[in-house]
Order: sequence, then structure tokens, then C-alpha cells
Amino acid sequence: NAGVTQTPKFQVLKTGQSMTLQCAQDMNHNSMYWYRQDPGMGLRLIYYSASEGTTDKGEVPNGYNVSRLNKREFSLRLESAAPSQTSVYFCASTYSPYNEQFFGPGTRLTVL
Amino acid sequence: AQSVAQPEDQVNVAEGNPLTVKCTYSVSGNPYLFWYVQYPNRGLQFLLKYITGDNLVKGSYGFEAEFNKSQTSFHLKKPSALVSDSALYFCAVRDGDNQGGKLIFGQGTELSVKP
Repeated sequence: NAGVTQTPKFQVLKTGQSMTLQCAQDMNHNSMYWYRQDPGMGLRLIYYSASEGTTDKGEVPNGYNVSRLNKREFSLRLESAAPSQTSVYFCASTYSPYNEQFFGPGTRLTVL
Repeated sequence: AQSVAQPEDQVNVAEGNPLTVKCTYSVSGNPYLFWYVQYPNRGLQFLLKYITGDNLVKGSYGFEAEFNKSQTSFHLKKPSALVSDSALYFCAVRDGDNQGGKLIFGQGTELSVKP
């Protein structure tokens, strides 16, 4: 099992450009999550999908959109990137809310 | 509202000594508590969790944590630290009433173990 995979690993964007971060899991998990990690702030939830076909906002959703494409895949889109979105983005998944979340390796995004 | 506090940004320990990384939480319902570790340029790895049952929880790599309901704490401990334990540690909480399994993370504690 590959677990949780994310692409790309690194990305540099100019202000105003758009991009989609991809996430996939092969553990048949029901719930998937997108977080951003900034120094001294821990991880903050951007969006989550409790089950296939549903998505909900987390703590910091502004400037982002998500798509739960199927049970395996959950993508995060930045429509018009801003320097404040420079961060490390992590995707995670879990079988149920009672279980631990499994994290991908992260995408390091820089917006100039 | 849910919240998690890790009061120490950094903990320094000598190899072989016991270590403690502190975590306190606030939830409205029953807490589900987790500890994760992050090595440089890596994703988070699960260490242990408390859902219900015994207050002392044992996890990976010799780590354990004690759930204390009266003090709303869930401190991470290890009897004898290794240099390889040096990493960033995160405490996280989920409110038992929370649908969707959303976790709230603390800001992280950098553990440094010196030889």
C-alpha cells in the first residue's frame, strides 16, 4: 500500500496563478482532510470530506476550493494564489472519526 | 469550542533521561486525544491515542501518555529519551460530539535530545 500520496512535492507560483494539489489514498478510508502548516501555528484544517460526496469548510477555507472526486481522491484548488498561501499543505485520511488520521508527505508551496 | 495548548515551544532533554511533552485541551463533549510526531521534511506520523478506557496509553517507539480528565491534560512521556526522538510533536483533540472527525492541533513542541 502506498498510503496517502500527494502531488506535486514542491511548487512555486506567481500571485494570481491557479493550481490544484492532488491527494489520493489506497486504504479505503471514508474521510479525507486538507491542512496547512505554518511555523508556530501547528496544522489548521482547510476543508474536509467526511464521506464520498460531501465536503465541508474547516478553520481556514478562504481562497480554496475542494473536490472529492471519488472515494480515493480529494483535490485542493487555489483559484488565485496569494503570498499568504505560502505554506506546506498536508492531506490526511481516516477510516472513521474514532481512528487516527494518516498523513501524506506534504506539498511545499511558495507564492511570489 | 475545541482547543489544544502545548505550553512549551521547545523541550531539551539529555539522552537517557525521561522526557515529558505537555498538552492541555478544551472540548465540550468527551475528548478523543492523539499524539503525532513529525520528522524534518516529512508528514505526520501517529504515535498514540486515547478514546476511552485506561488513562495510561502506550504507543509507538516506547512513548506513552496519561489522560487526566480533571486537569484536562494528555502529556506525552518516555522513560528514557533517545537522540533519534528529536522531532516536532503535535497533540490533537477531537470532540466526541464532532461529526466528520475534525481534529484541532496544538502549535507543536520541538523536542531536542542531546547525547
